[in-house]
Amino acid sequence: EAEVAQSPRYKITEKSQAVAFWCDPISGHATLYWYRQILGQGPELLVQFQDESVVDDSQLPKDRFSAERLKGVDSTLKIQPAELGDSAMYLCASSFGTGSGTQYFGPGTRLTVL
Amino acid sequence: SQQGEEDPQALSIQEGENATMNCSYKTSINNLQWYRQNSGRGLVHLILIRSNEREKHSGRLRVTLDTSKKSSSLLITASRAADTASYFCATALTGANSKLTFGKGITLSVRP
Repeated sequence: EAEVAQSPRYKITEKSQAVAFWCDPISGHATLYWYRQILGQGPELLVQFQDESVVDDSQLPKDRFSAERLKGVDSTLKIQPAELGDSAMYLCASSFGTGSGTQYFGPGTRLTVL
Repeated sequence: SQQGEEDPQALSIQEGENATMNCSYKTSINNLQWYRQNSGRGLVHLILIRSNEREKHSGRLRVTLDTSKKSSSLLITASRAADTASYFCATALTGANSKLTFGKGITLSVRP
């Protein structure tokens, strides 16, 4: 069964450093999402792509976060510089259609900022 | 902002018992979905129920939706230790390019 791939699974960094996360969605899925999940909370959408275009980045802290999906396939989420409050699980998901349908999640990247 | 609010926050039951989890939301929806998350892992989609549906079944799962009360319930019958996980409801509002908004989740513990 096809899965969403993410790497790395775990990342420990010091504050003010740059970090990057990678996601490869299920083949054929046009929509890709990046979520942030703080411990004990539900996932919060950071950015949604439809092919290579950003559909929603209203909750993305644009002063330090950036996301790209250049060829409409895999995607990278970057944080520069990382802050202590960025410690969280970063989840990537994909779906065949628009954001209201079933989403398929990757295993996530656990980020710890020291 | 939180659209879906799950209840209870935590639930502990014995293997073989049924588990009922509730979700309430505030505004009109296109559909409501339930997801499961095992500790430290990604979310797994369980079931989607559309606003014009009242009940859906999938294996040991039964979901109901009451749009007049803006609430949904997830019933897991004959629970197993492997059902131990966090469960989230997610709502998709009406309108184009609607996104999913997740609640804070319910922690279910099934004791062997």
